[in-house]
Amino acid sequence: DTGVSQDPRHKITKRGQNVTFRCDPISEHNRLYWYRQTLGQGPEFLTYFQNEAQLEKSRLLSDRFSAERPKGSFSTLEIQRTEQGDSAMYLCASSSRLAKNIQYFGAGTRLSVL
Amino acid sequence: DQQVKQNSPSLSVQEGRISILNCDYTNSMFDYFLWYKKYPAEGPTFLISISSIKDKNEDGRFTVFLNKSAKHLSLHIVPSQPGDSAVYFCAARDTGANSKLTFGKGITLSVRP
Repeated sequence: DTGVSQDPRHKITKRGQNVTFRCDPISEHNRLYWYRQTLGQGPEFLTYFQNEAQLEKSRLLSDRFSAERPKGSFSTLEIQRTEQGDSAMYLCASSSRLAKNIQYFGAGTRLSVL
Repeated sequence: DQQVKQNSPSLSVQEGRISILNCDYTNSMFDYFLWYKKYPAEGPTFLISISSIKDKNEDGRFTVFLNKSAKHLSLHIVPSQPGDSAVYFCAARDTGANSKLTFGKGITLSVRP
C-alpha cells in the first residue's frame, strides 16, 4: 500500500529548537496539503502545494513556519524556534488531478514542545 | 468563527441500529462535503462525499444526505457495527479556495455490542 507517509511519527523537542517534518504523498498526486490538529479540534488548514508551487498559506502559518515541495514530490514542514503552543498533530494530505476534492491523509506527526 | 459545526460531541448506539451523525455549515460558498473517520493514532480516513448539486449519496452501509437550504448534512450508518466506533469529521470545500478543507470538531461514535 502506498498511502501518504509521514516521518517522524512523534517528535519531542525543547522550546526554541527547530524541527522538520517530512511528507511523502501518494505517488502521482500533484496536490499536497498540510493541516494541524489540536486536542478536541478538527484539522486546520496550513498550506497547499500544486506540484512544486505553494499556492495558499493560512494565517495560522506564522513566519516561524516554512514549507517546501522542491521537486513536486515529497514535502517538508519546518518550524523554527518552537513554542509550547506549536504542540499538535501535523497532518499531511494529498489528492490527485482527477479526484482533487478527495484528500487522503497520512498518520501524522505528533509534536510535543517541552 | 466555526464554519463547520458538529454540535454533538458524542453518540452511542446499539450494534445493528442506525447511527445518524449531523453537521451544519454557515458558508454558502461550500460546494463539496466529505466525511472522514479517524481511529486513535491514525490519520483521518476518507469515508464518503457529496457534491452540492446532489442531495444524497450512498455507499454500502453509509449514506450522506445534504439539505442545502438548511445548510445541513448528515451521515447515516446502517447497520452500525462495533468497528464503526471512531471519531467522525465532517469537512467542506470552498469553491474558490484551492480545495482546502474546513473541518468540524468531530463526533465520537461508540457502537455497543
